[in-house]
Amino acid sequence: EAGVTQSPTHLIKTRGQQATLRCSPISGHTSVYWYQQALGLGLQFLLWYDEGEERNRGNFPPRFSGRQFPNYSSELNVNALELEDSALYLCASSLDGDLGGGELFFGEGSRLTVL
Amino acid sequence: AQKVTQAQTEISVVEKEDVTLDCVYETRDTTYYLFWYKQPPSGELVFLIRRNSFDEQNEISGRYSWNFQKSTSSFNFTITASQVVDSAVYFCALSGETSGSRLTFGEGTQLTVNP
Repeated sequence: EAGVTQSPTHLIKTRGQQATLRCSPISGHTSVYWYQQALGLGLQFLLWYDEGEERNRGNFPPRFSGRQFPNYSSELNVNALELEDSALYLCASSLDGDLGGGELFFGEGSRLTVL
Repeated sequence: AQKVTQAQTEISVVEKEDVTLDCVYETRDTTYYLFWYKQPPSGELVFLIRRNSFDEQNEISGRYSWNFQKSTSSFNFTITASQVVDSAVYFCALSGETSGSRLTFGEGTQLTVNP
């Protein structure tokens, strides 16, 4: 069974540009989560999608947005890139996001570098 | 609000030493779940264990053991006879009845096991 897959693995952009990151959850999983891991910082919760809807978002500005497609894959968009957006972006999926205690399965991440 | 604190930023040990990683949490949920994840250099988070708030039984899995104490809001992780392959960043995380499967992570502890 394929795990959570993310693309691209690495992405280099310049300030002011837009970045799009993609995530395919494990088959059968309906919830997708996005986390940002900046250098020296822990994992900061960005967004949670379930059944195509945004269920929750972390403390990030509106230029961080995303969506979930009918096949449950997800896209994270970061507009007007800033240097501090450089980070590893991790996607995770779970079987049922409303189920407390559900295990999150993580992808290997997309490393975004903003120059 | 939920919070997880891992006070140890970095730990360095010599192979075969025992090492304990500390985790303290805060939550107002009555039902909650605690996790430990391992992040090797590849970046993907690997699930290690999940405990729910009603199960304070300590758990041992090979060289790994976990000590859950509600009285001190702690969920510590011990590696016995550490090995070089244990070198990684370890994250403690929390989810609860008010957050579904969304995880709140601690800052992580970088463990380095030297030969």
